[in-house]
Amino acid sequence: QKEVEQNSGPLSVPEGAIASLNCTYSDRVSQSFFWYRQYSGKSPELIMSIYSNGDKEDGRFTAQLNKASQYVSLLIRDSQPSDSATYLCAGSMRFGAGTRLTVKP
Amino acid sequence: DTGVSQDPRHKITKRGQNVTFRCDPISEHNRLYWYRQTLGQGPEFLTYFQNEAQLEKSRLLSDRFSAERPKGSFSTLEIQRTEQGDSAMYLCASSSPGRLFEEQFFGPGTRLTVL
Repeated sequence: QKEVEQNSGPLSVPEGAIASLNCTYSDRVSQSFFWYRQYSGKSPELIMSIYSNGDKEDGRFTAQLNKASQYVSLLIRDSQPSDSATYLCAGSMRFGAGTRLTVKP
Repeated sequence: DTGVSQDPRHKITKRGQNVTFRCDPISEHNRLYWYRQTLGQGPEFLTYFQNEAQLEKSRLLSDRFSAERPKGSFSTLEIQRTEQGDSAMYLCASSSPGRLFEEQFFGPGTRLTVL
């Protein structure tokens, strides 16, 4: 099992919808998790961090962490075409392969 | 601009040549990380430093790869005897001390092409 795994997608949602991105992790990964956004040809940009069980909200983004299930998710509300990018889940310097999100106008 | 910088941004080399990349972290950041990323994959951890100490090195990293951070500021990543499989984007990131030490900020990357 990879240390951090993401549903590889791609994921396509209409503008204004909720995009849901998921990630699971192995026991070898720390209990702090991060979501990065990566536009094509650019480097990753940190958008959310979560350290405790439960939800953390920041604007249109909500990160959820469930340590018992070793599961992390990112919800993007009111998705915009500018949200179209690859979203990377990370913990303990280990990254998932990313989920490509396309938001259609 | 006070972000992470990397140099060069692009490097084309012939197989068998040595290459060296430089990373300058955000000035107050004491941790520095190197990753490699290929198309369609997430960044793959190579190594990281806290100040000048190299604390972890990926088991996947062959002995052709070496990294240094001699004064705890900038870092260099050298690849000796490059192979075509080394073609990738090499990313550097840095993070601050304290509780948020895992929140990493990435540089623009160095794209390596080995012919």
